Amino acid sequence: NAGVTQTPKFQVLKTGQSMTLQCAQDMNHEYMSWYRQDPGMGLRLIHYSVGAGITDQGEVPNGYNVSRSTTEDFPLRLLSAAPSQTSVYFCASSPRGQGSGEQYFGPGTRLTVT
Amino acid sequence: EDKVVQSPLSLVVHEGDTVTLNCSYEVTNFRSLLWYKQEKKAPTFLFMLTSSGIEKKSGRLSSILDKKELSSILNITATQTGDSAIYLCAVVRLNSGYALNFGKGTSLLVTP
Repeated sequence: NAGVTQTPKFQVLKTGQSMTLQCAQDMNHEYMSWYRQDPGMGLRLIHYSVGAGITDQGEVPNGYNVSRSTTEDFPLRLLSAAPSQTSVYFCASSPRGQGSGEQYFGPGTRLTVT
Repeated sequence: EDKVVQSPLSLVVHEGDTVTLNCSYEVTNFRSLLWYKQEKKAPTFLFMLTSSGIEKKSGRLSSILDKKELSSILNITATQTGDSAIYLCAVVRLNSGYALNFGKGTSLLVTP
C-alpha cells in the first residue's frame, strides 16, 4: 500500500492562476479531508468528504473547490490563487467506523503564491 | 463556533524533565479527542480519547480526557531530545466524517 499520496510536493503559482492539488489513497477509506497549515496556526480544515459524491465545507473553504468522484481520489482546486493561500496543504483519510480514530496523512504539498 | 485551545504555546525543558501539555475544547456533538506529534512533516498519530478518566499510555507518553472539564492533558516523562516537536490536539464531532478541528499546537523543545 502506498497509503495517502499527494502531488506535487512543491508548487509556485502567480496570483490569479488556478491549479489542482492531487490526493489519492489506496486503502479504500470512506473519509477524506483537506487541511492547510500556516505558521503558528495549527492545521485548519478546508473541505471534507464522507464518501464518493459527498463533500462538505470545513473552517476555511473560501477560494477552494473539491469533488469526490471516486473513493480513491479527492482533488483540491484553487480557483484563482492569492498570496493568502501560501501554505502547506495536507490531505488525510480514515476508514468509517474505525475504532482508533487515526487519520492517515499524506506528506503534504508546499504551495507558494507570488 | 467550535474552539480547541492548547497551552502553553511553546515550552523549553531539559532532558529528563516531565512535561504536561494542555488542551481544552468547546465543541458541539463531541465524538473524540486526538493527539498528534509533528516534526517538520505530516502529523503522526499518538492517542485517541473518547471516555472520561481512562488513561491511554504509550511508553513515556500518556494522555487522559476529562469530559466534565472539557479538557485533556498529554504527559511526557523523562523527556528526550527526540521528543522535540509540535504537539497537536484535535477534536472530532459526530457525523463529520472524522474531520479534525485542531488547536494551534504546543511547540516543545527538549535541550540536552
